[in-house]
Amino acid sequence: DTAVSQTPKYLVTQMGNDKSIKCEQNLGHDTMYWYKQDSKKFLKIMFSYNNKELIINETVPNRFSPKSPDKAHLNLHINSLELGDSAVYFCASSQLDGGETQYFGPGTRLLVL
Amino acid sequence: GDSVTQMEGPVTLSEEAFLTINCTYTATGYPSLFWYVQYPGEGLQLLLKATKADDKGSNKGFEATYRKETTSFHLEKGSVQVSDSAVYFCALTPSGSARQLTFGSGTQLTVLP
Repeated sequence: DTAVSQTPKYLVTQMGNDKSIKCEQNLGHDTMYWYKQDSKKFLKIMFSYNNKELIINETVPNRFSPKSPDKAHLNLHINSLELGDSAVYFCASSQLDGGETQYFGPGTRLLVL
Repeated sequence: GDSVTQMEGPVTLSEEAFLTINCTYTATGYPSLFWYVQYPGEGLQLLLKATKADDKGSNKGFEATYRKETTSFHLEKGSVQVSDSAVYFCALTPSGSARQLTFGSGTQLTVLP
């Protein structure tokens, strides 16, 4: 069983469209994250949710909105996509008081044309 | 804010060579330190970690020691293999309740047969 899964794996879309990326973890963790990896492989935190509540919201455009329907899911919705949004987006999860190790999903490669 | 500085890549080695990838950090208190590895086309996997000063993390022949006095967490392996070719990320989580990972810029390692 995949511990942290993301869908879709690849996403190609036009500028201005709205898209969502889904993430699910079956590890029973209480904290989930979204990271963005740019073309130079640099990784940066975007959001963090703990028990469905937002605890970290780095400086990202408000076109990005995370949604957590339950502890096991953290989806990322992006409005009005721009060329600069092209990147690989990784979901991760951890147990806040359980050793700090974060487990990553396989990534969603987003290309905005 | 917290930051991680990694040695610039890419690094190219012959099989069985000794590997060192330097990592230094800036953080208040006592962060936890990690090395993650990203194989081509995949997500990030935890390679090893250390949560307090003088701890040594080790896995798959890789080692790193948490040096508080030099704020370093250098990754070493005595004899690399072709299968070790990947991007290696040094990262930290701060002490306290926030658990987001702050990553270094990544180091691309290529091992030639």
